Amino acid sequence: SAVISQKPSRDICQRGTSLTIQCQVDSQVTMMFWYRQQPGQSLTLIATANQGSEATYESGFVIDKFPISRPNLTFSTLTVSNMSPEDSSIYLCSVGQDYNEQFFGPGTRLTVL
Amino acid sequence: QQQVKQSPQSLIVQKGGISIINCAYENTAFDYFPWYQQFPGKGPALLIAIRPDVSEKKEGRFTISFNKSAKQFSLHIMDSQPGDSATYFCAASKSNYQLIWGAGTKLIIKP
Repeated sequence: SAVISQKPSRDICQRGTSLTIQCQVDSQVTMMFWYRQQPGQSLTLIATANQGSEATYESGFVIDKFPISRPNLTFSTLTVSNMSPEDSSIYLCSVGQDYNEQFFGPGTRLTVL
Repeated sequence: QQQVKQSPQSLIVQKGGISIINCAYENTAFDYFPWYQQFPGKGPALLIAIRPDVSEKKEGRFTISFNKSAKQFSLHIMDSQPGDSATYFCAASKSNYQLIWGAGTKLIIKP
């Protein structure tokens, strides 16, 4: 399976600021995804990061709040904009490989004060 | 129809016992059913997965049982060990990588 890294691993931010999370994969992958996971909760898909085109957002998530870049087949970024305490969460990127398998990065733990 | 219902929410099992977590789904178009294991502070790790053309898949101490007619699938952990203590998520998808997630089960194995 692909090896996925995320930066930063954690951060504490002030409300109203923005944070960009990076996701790097050690091999080229077609599908990359961004998820949010509240502590003790299940995963919620934010968007599918499409290489060379705009991301596809799930209901309840908008590009202005969560802009995503996917400049190539091994890298993507998620920005959490104009943060509020409600954005405190774990943000995870994942990649899709053969046969529907998805593999996850270690996550970025975000705390907004 | 898109939901995957997972139970129990939490589970305590003695070391050496069998841990069983159940999931049920509605959408018969689902054709891929993975289980993920997540330790605190880590991302979910793909543990084992099954497709509806088989009724059981075993990998080491982990077994998925799949009942297509009942639209249910379950994870069995044999000879449960303290290192198995984690949160387990079931999921389902329709061959399009869009995973529908269960709510998760927090498993504690008592030494």
